[in-house]
Amino acid sequence: QQPVQSPQAVILREGEDAVINCSSSKALYSVHWYRQKHGEAPVFLMILLKGGEQKGHEKISASFNEKKQQSSLYLTASQLSYSGTYFCGGRYNNNDMRFGAGTRLTVKP
Amino acid sequence: NAGVMQNPRHLVRRRGQEARLRCSPMKGHSHVYWYRQLPEEGLKFMVYLQKENIIDESGMPKERFSAEFPKEGPSILRIQQVVRGDSAAYFCASSPRGRLTPQETQYFGPGTRLLVL
Repeated sequence: QQPVQSPQAVILREGEDAVINCSSSKALYSVHWYRQKHGEAPVFLMILLKGGEQKGHEKISASFNEKKQQSSLYLTASQLSYSGTYFCGGRYNNNDMRFGAGTRLTVKP
Repeated sequence: NAGVMQNPRHLVRRRGQEARLRCSPMKGHSHVYWYRQLPEEGLKFMVYLQKENIIDESGMPKERFSAEFPKEGPSILRIQQVVRGDSAAYFCASSPRGRLTPQETQYFGPGTRLLVL
């Protein structure tokens, strides 16, 4: 009962786009996205609830496809500050939250 | 508004010693979660506590590990007779309402890096 993230790692040039996926074999009630920089605590980005909603925060947005039990995080025109490891947290119907293994994003100048 | 506080930030112990990790949740938060993170890996859930109650300890090793969240004071994760495999970053997170509201998220502290020699 743990979301699966893909890819495991991404390397981008500044200004390029990236998509990080999070999928679950069990029904997700909500998806929570976090970013963690090396040696620091995970920082909350956004929550997506059931209903296929999309959300955005500056040039980072996400979607949640309830039917596919899949969420995607979209990073547009990436900046150096986007570098870090992105985790999705899946909230299940029993309200447990479990995290994926993370996707390491490196943005190079 | 102070965030989640954890101390110590770094802890070195020799095999067989005890480690005590403290977590003070955000003001107004009464739900605390502990996670362990091994190098280059994800966050593994350990335990979920409310004030004076352990709600879910399904991720806690059966031996040597215990957690509490007393009425007064911080939450404490205690590891007895530490072994090298306990070396990891331990993160605490808090939320105001816990699991009853799916849209509620958790806010993380800076973590305690435990090194067992």
